[in-house]
This record gives sequence, structure tokens and C-alpha cells, in this order.
Amino acid sequence: EAQVTQNPRYLITVTGKKLTVTCSQNMNHEYMSWYRQDPGLGLRQIYYSMNVEVTDKGDVPEGYKVSRKEKRNFPLILESPSPNQTSLYFCASTLGRGGEQYFGPGTRLTVT
Amino acid sequence: EDQVTQSPEALRLQEGESSSLNCSYTVSGLRGLFWYRQDPGKGPEFLFTLYSAGEEKEKERLKATLTKKESFLHITAPKPEDSATYLCAADGGNDYKLSFGAGTTVTVRA
Repeated sequence: EAQVTQNPRYLITVTGKKLTVTCSQNMNHEYMSWYRQDPGLGLRQIYYSMNVEVTDKGDVPEGYKVSRKEKRNFPLILESPSPNQTSLYFCASTLGRGGEQYFGPGTRLTVT
Repeated sequence: EDQVTQSPEALRLQEGESSSLNCSYTVSGLRGLFWYRQDPGKGPEFLFTLYSAGEEKEKERLKATLTKKESFLHITAPKPEDSATYLCAADGGNDYKLSFGAGTTVTVRA
């Protein structure tokens, strides 16, 4: 089954404690992205990757890091989380620009 | 800066009452205008991609259209199972930054 998986699905952490949210896709897609979704603001792109070792900033990259060492995986790293990073995070992948994006189930992060 | 605005924020419909959702966009060099459906607690689910003004696509009770400045999602004779938040997004320019609107939450009452 074609899918994007994210782990963990729920995470409560404290300010400053480094964390990683994993994302994996099994469709051999070139493009992958991370988004955060906040009430009234919609989905905002954090980072995207067009291929292995190729990443670039989206609209809200501050406080986040990503890496793309393998085609299927695109982890999101918060080195020093802060309360304003409390949000619902989605990973997505697509074969190419203009194509259908497949979204993961989401990770709800709370930073206290 | 690319901008995508959706209206209305919320729409309450009676079953069978057709209506339209609006997505206005300001994007240089539009490569694609996307519509997604999102159910509570889930990731967005792809509906349509539109590439050029005048293009139309249909799926069951949904029809998406595109002009140079706007896209519309028409819901014909909606059913309660069409209740969801509908998101539009625009891909423009040389990079791969996708700009999403805040969404329209549609509630269809039986």
C-alpha cells in the first residue's frame, strides 16, 4: 500500500529537549515536504527536498532542521524546541512538481 | 510574496443544497493549483490539480475550475459525507514552495 508514515503520532516534550520526527514514504517519490498546521493559519511549508541531499527552506524554517540521506526518509529535527513550535505537523511526498501529494497522518507536538 | 486566500471560512449546507468555495491566489508563474480534502485528525487527501486558466476537473459531486486569479470548487447536491475542510494550494515560481489557503470547513446537514 502506497503510504507516508510519521512517528511519533503524538509527542509532549519540554522546552530545549532535542527531538526528531521521522517520515518515510514507500513510493520512490523525489519530492518530500514538511508542513505545520495551526488554527486559522492553514498549512505552512517548513522545508522541502527535491532529491537526496537536496533540501531548501519553505516559508517557516526557523527552529527546524531536516536531512535527506535516503530517498525514502525525511526526518524533521527540532534542536531546541520552544512552546511556539506546538503544532500539528505533516510530512508529504510527491513524484514531481504538479503531482499529487501524499500526506502522512500527522504528528501532534506539544512543547511545554 | 505568494498568497492564497480561501472564502468563506465556514459553510453550512443542507443536504442537496449546491454551493461554491472560492480560492484566490497571487502567484508568479503558476505551475499548479491544487485542491485537497481534510477530515478531522487526518492528513489532507488529494482531489484535483489544475494547470491553466479555463481548465475544469470533476470527481463525483465536486467540480474544480480555474481562472487567472481564482479557483472555484463547486459542490453539487452535497451529502453529509462531503463534510470536511477543503484546502487549496498554489505552486509557483522556480522553487517548490507550496502556499496553502487556510481552508473552508463545509458542514452538510441531513
